[in-house]
Amino acid sequence: AQTVTQSQPEMSVQEAETVTLSCTYDTSESDYYLFWYKQPPSRQMILVIRQEAYKQQNATENRFSVNFQKAAKSFSLKISDSQLGDAAMYFCAYRSATGTASKLTFGTGTRLQVTL
Amino acid sequence: EADIYQTPRYLVIGTGKKITLECSQTMGHDKMYWYQQDPGMELHLIHYSYGVNSTEKGDLSSESTVSRIRTEHFPLTLESARPSHTSQYLCASSEFGQPHNEQFFGPGTRLTVL
Repeated sequence: AQTVTQSQPEMSVQEAETVTLSCTYDTSESDYYLFWYKQPPSRQMILVIRQEAYKQQNATENRFSVNFQKAAKSFSLKISDSQLGDAAMYFCAYRSATGTASKLTFGTGTRLQVTL
Repeated sequence: EADIYQTPRYLVIGTGKKITLECSQTMGHDKMYWYQQDPGMELHLIHYSYGVNSTEKGDLSSESTVSRIRTEHFPLTLESARPSHTSQYLCASSEFGQPHNEQFFGPGTRLTVL
């Protein structure tokens, strides 16, 4: 079974600064997908960014980028120019590329605080 | 925000009551999911569905049951609520097909059983 580990329960960043959230995973599969989801307080969880394991190029979405290290099974999220609206719980998630269930396995989350 | 809705948003109920948590989506997605999330913790999949008349148990054992009679509707039922059922329940949906397809989440129902 796959596992996802987020070792940072809480992180804090000043507005306009850069922060990196860590995620490691364990799998015996070679093809899979990785996701970062954001869960703001009392609001719906939304997708931040996704990475396909067979793509070597790191995904980027505006201020959000990932550092995907397949051999090390590491998938960190970098948030540049942090904004107050970035404050939320961030979950790393894994999905196998095989099978039809498309089930996600989540990490325990990192609570990000953004300070002035 | 995604077109997926959950009601009620908050529910406080006594032990032994039967409850149904509603989830509806207007995106025509075939796949739907129920996750259980304790405060500050990860999400655990408890039920999922490929489509109408399809339901499967997830990775976390749950005493709840689900049904999928219509594509857009995926309710979760607890026949006899207990304090151990206190948690947040999140519904999600995704398109059938590519595994990289995004799951869209509802706002959640926060259930408290006294």
